Amino acid sequence: DAGVIQSPRHEVTEMGQEVTLRCKPISGHNSLFWYRQTMMRGLELLIYFNNNVPIDDSGMPEDRFSAKMPNASFSTLKIQPSEPRDSAVYFCASSPTPFSGRAFRSHNEQFFGPGTRLTVL
Amino acid sequence: EDKVVQSPLSLVVHEGDTVTLNCSYEVTNFRSLLWYKQEKKAPTFLFMLTSSGIEKKSGRLSSILDKKELFSILNITATQTGDSAIYLCAVSNTGTASKLTFGTGTRLQVTL
Repeated sequence: DAGVIQSPRHEVTEMGQEVTLRCKPISGHNSLFWYRQTMMRGLELLIYFNNNVPIDDSGMPEDRFSAKMPNASFSTLKIQPSEPRDSAVYFCASSPTPFSGRAFRSHNEQFFGPGTRLTVL
Repeated sequence: EDKVVQSPLSLVVHEGDTVTLNCSYEVTNFRSLLWYKQEKKAPTFLFMLTSSGIEKKSGRLSSILDKKELFSILNITATQTGDSAIYLCAVSNTGTASKLTFGTGTRLQVTL
């Protein structure tokens, strides 16, 4: 399995531009999570989906942030317009549904993608 | 709101030392506590703990949970430079999906 795939790996953009981050979760995982990591605030959960449905978006900072999951194998996180304070590493993670019936090491272990390092100038 | 506090924030030790990392938490309807190691890239899973008093071990790393006092420790014996990383603690509560609340992490540096 290729693991969680994120693109791009690095993004440098100017303030005011739209940024779209992409994620492909591990096949068969039913939960998908978007995190933001900064030195000051650590790893913060932005939003998570279960079976493609947004469950909790209370971590989304403001209306400039939006996330979609049109199908089980793809999700996007969009920032429009971007601001310098959005600069961070954005991680996507996926997890199997707890009662999926499959034998996992941990029923709610999350598998992280390599992250997208976003710099907004 | 679930909360996780890790200590110390950072730590520098010499190779061969033993270290103990702490994680305390407040969570409604606790389900599990997880430890992750983050080097340069994404966090990687170390342990999941659900029951008090049962030690989980993997090589030189071990962890234990105290659900009465609401904390966990991660021990690393005979540290090596490859153990240098940020160690993240996270908790989950019961619910429909595997939402995790993370602490800010402990940055461990192991020197020669």
